Parts: sequence; C-alpha cells; structure tokens
Amino acid sequence: GQQVQQSPASLVLQEGENAELQCNFSSTATQLQWFYQSPGGSLVSLLSNPSGTKHTGRLTSTTVTKERRSSLHISSSQTTDSGTYLCAPPTGGYKVVFGSGTRLLVSP
Amino acid sequence: DTTVKQNPRYKLARVGKPVNLICSQTMNHDTMYWYQKKPNQAPKLLLFYYDKILNREADTFEKFQSSRPNNSFCSLYIGSAGLEYSAMYLCASSGGAGAEQFFGPGTRLTVL
Repeated sequence: GQQVQQSPASLVLQEGENAELQCNFSSTATQLQWFYQSPGGSLVSLLSNPSGTKHTGRLTSTTVTKERRSSLHISSSQTTDSGTYLCAPPTGGYKVVFGSGTRLLVSP
Repeated sequence: DTTVKQNPRYKLARVGKPVNLICSQTMNHDTMYWYQKKPNQAPKLLLFYYDKILNREADTFEKFQSSRPNNSFCSLYIGSAGLEYSAMYLCASSGGAGAEQFFGPGTRLTVL
C-alpha cells in the first residue's frame, strides 16, 4: 500500500522566516492534499495539488508526480502557523493515507 | 459552501455508556468518512460510506457502528465507551474516489 514520509519531523523558526516541508510517497498519486492540524486537533485542508505548482496566500505547493514527492513552502512564517502539517496522498479507491506530519513551531 | 459540520464539538461520556456523534455536509458528496485522531498520531480511518454502502476498517470493525439516513448526514456510534475511545473524531466528505476530502472541525470525546 501507499507509504508516506514527511520531513523534517519538526521545525522551529523565528517569525518571518520561511519553511520548506517535504512529502515523499511510494505509489503514484492522482491527488495529494496538504492539511494543517491545529494544536486542538482539527484538520484544515490547505491545498490540493496532484501535480505542478499551486499557490494560496503565503503557501506554495509543488508536486512532482513522477518523482512521487511534494513540498509545501510557507513564506514569512507567523506564530499562528504553528501546528502540524500533514500530507495525504490517496491509497487507492476512496481512502487516503496520512504522513506522520511535520511539527512547526514559530516563535515571535 | 465547503462546510462539514459536526455535533457536538465536545462530548463527555462515562465508561460503558453509548456515544453518538453526528456529521453533516451540504456539498452532495457521495462519500463520508470517520477518523479517530489521538495526540501525536496520524488520523486513523475508522469507516466510510460510499452512498449507502458502509465500509469498516478491519481492526475497528466491531468497535464502531455508523448510519447514513440520507446523503447529508452520517453518524458514528459507540455502543459501550471505554477509556481508549478518548480522542478527537473527525468527519470528512469527498466527491468520489481520489477526490479531495473536506474535514469537519471534529468532536473531542473524553471518556471517564
């Protein structure tokens, strides 16, 4: 089945610095979502990016399908960006598989 | 509107008592999911409905029940809560196989 690895496992930044998060997956994916998980546990979909580059606000995702990898770039990080970032490619059919996440801490 | 709603947001239950969680979506999605999320763990899929067909994961088959009375609503039912059920329960919906999943805010269940 689909295997997902995210790196780094954790990241500490000063406010204003940029973050680069990586997601590698083992099987070709026709869809890939990036999620933000708040410290309270809720999941928010950030980007859906099966291939190419997508932007929304301070977020940029680049997925290279044939290399089975995706990245999430956060520019000018803010303290409110702190939380866990999960990538989730599909695992066939109706399911997705979540990576273990990158924990981001942005300090003022 | 890409909103998935969940009720209640917080639930306190006693060991051995039943728990019923509710989810709704207005996107006319054919698939609805329930996940369990514990601290420092990835969300774990419990079950999902494709239309009226329920699919339960093998390792949680006997622990959770669900119903989907119509396209918009889906419930998660625990017949007898144990301490290990304390977690965040996330509902999601999607428009089909491989489609983007939209998540609700979650219900935090605490079993005492």
